Amino acid sequence: SAVISQKPSRDICQRGTSLTIQCQVDSQVTMMFWYRQQPGQSLTLIATANQGSEATYESGFVIDKFPISRPNLTFSTLTVSNMSPEDSSIYLCSVATRPTDTQYFGPGTRLTVL
Amino acid sequence: QKEVEQNSGPLSVPEGAIASLNCTYSDRGSQSFFWYRQYSGKSPELIMSIYSNGDKEDGRFTAQLNKASQYVSLLIRDSQPSDSATYLCAVNGDYGKLTFGQGTILTVHP
Repeated sequence: SAVISQKPSRDICQRGTSLTIQCQVDSQVTMMFWYRQQPGQSLTLIATANQGSEATYESGFVIDKFPISRPNLTFSTLTVSNMSPEDSSIYLCSVATRPTDTQYFGPGTRLTVL
Repeated sequence: QKEVEQNSGPLSVPEGAIASLNCTYSDRGSQSFFWYRQYSGKSPELIMSIYSNGDKEDGRFTAQLNKASQYVSLLIRDSQPSDSATYLCAVNGDYGKLTFGQGTILTVHP
């Protein structure tokens, strides 16, 4: 399986600011996704990061709040904009070779918004 | 809305026992099914994937899939304290999107 890294691993931010999270994979992958895991909850898909085009967002998530970039097949960023305490979560990227294949997860970014 | 439901927890079993985790899903078109294990403070790691009806065994773990009943389960034999974690059932939908169940917390006590 691919080796996935995320930066930062954790951060504490003030409300109203923005944070950009990076996801780096050691090999080219077709599929990249961003998930959110709120405290004590399961994972919820935010969006599919599409290489060279706009991300595909799930219901309840919008580009203005969670802009995503994917400039190539090994890298993606997720920005959490104009943060509020409700954005305090773990943000995870995942990758897969094909849509039906296993998704492997990065180590996650633990975000706390004060 | 596609839903994935897991049996309510937490689940507590003695060391050496069989732990049984269950999951039902709403989308009949789903083709791929996964069990992930998540330790506290860590990201999910894959335990088993299953694509066809029947059983799939890997060491102490057995996944069972019944597409007609829209049911997938995970059995952990000879449970160990190190198996104590949250187990997440995930179902693959359109374009590779995963829908997760709410998770079942498993505790294996010595």
